[in-house]
Amino acid sequence: DQQVKQNSPSLSVQEGRISILNCDYTNSMFDYFLWYKKYPAEGPTFLISISSIKDKNEDGRFTVFLNKSAKHLSLHIVPSQPGDSAVYFCAASARAGGGNKLTFGTGTQLKVEL
Amino acid sequence: EAGVAQSPRYKIIEKRQSVAFWCNPISGHATLYWYQQILGQGPKLLIQFQNNGVVDDSQLPKDRFSAERLKGVDSTLKIQPAKLEDSAVYLCASSSTLSRGNYEQYFGPGTRLTVT
Repeated sequence: DQQVKQNSPSLSVQEGRISILNCDYTNSMFDYFLWYKKYPAEGPTFLISISSIKDKNEDGRFTVFLNKSAKHLSLHIVPSQPGDSAVYFCAASARAGGGNKLTFGTGTQLKVEL
Repeated sequence: EAGVAQSPRYKIIEKRQSVAFWCNPISGHATLYWYQQILGQGPKLLIQFQNNGVVDDSQLPKDRFSAERLKGVDSTLKIQPAKLEDSAVYLCASSSTLSRGNYEQYFGPGTRLTVT
């Protein structure tokens, strides 16, 4: 049962353009969402998060949008840079349950081309 | 600030052998997690510690996997005996005390295990 889904295994974008990575979830108890970036042979690195009480959170070139009714979130990267090429994981947590267990999606490989 | 440390980085063993992984979390982080990441999948939580107590081990295959965090700092994850399907990257992560509301987890580089 895949509670967090990233349906696009890969995405290719030109440098300077916008990258949009999508994530869907099924568990309505999830109330906190995070994006992680992962380079080969390294652990995931925290990128940005959003609480379910918000619909947008911005940090520099990275913006996360949350649509609770659609159970959908997206990560926008503007402008995209070659160093952004990595695997991006969406993760979700049900904080109200008292824990901090993260449920991850399967990841999207982003390639930013010159 | 030093990050999460893990060792070894790579390990190759034969099936039915045993293996142990070590993790040292970020200083001051009370919560420690072990994840298993199989190729092509996202990380899956195996066990979560709060200080030296287990918070969640519902997805830990307890017949072959064990983990401990005796003094509330370092942790070890053991597999005995290993199976072919245990081939994966084992990630350790840590976060601040839950009560502070800091839910970001910080990951180590992982240990890549190959079982032949």
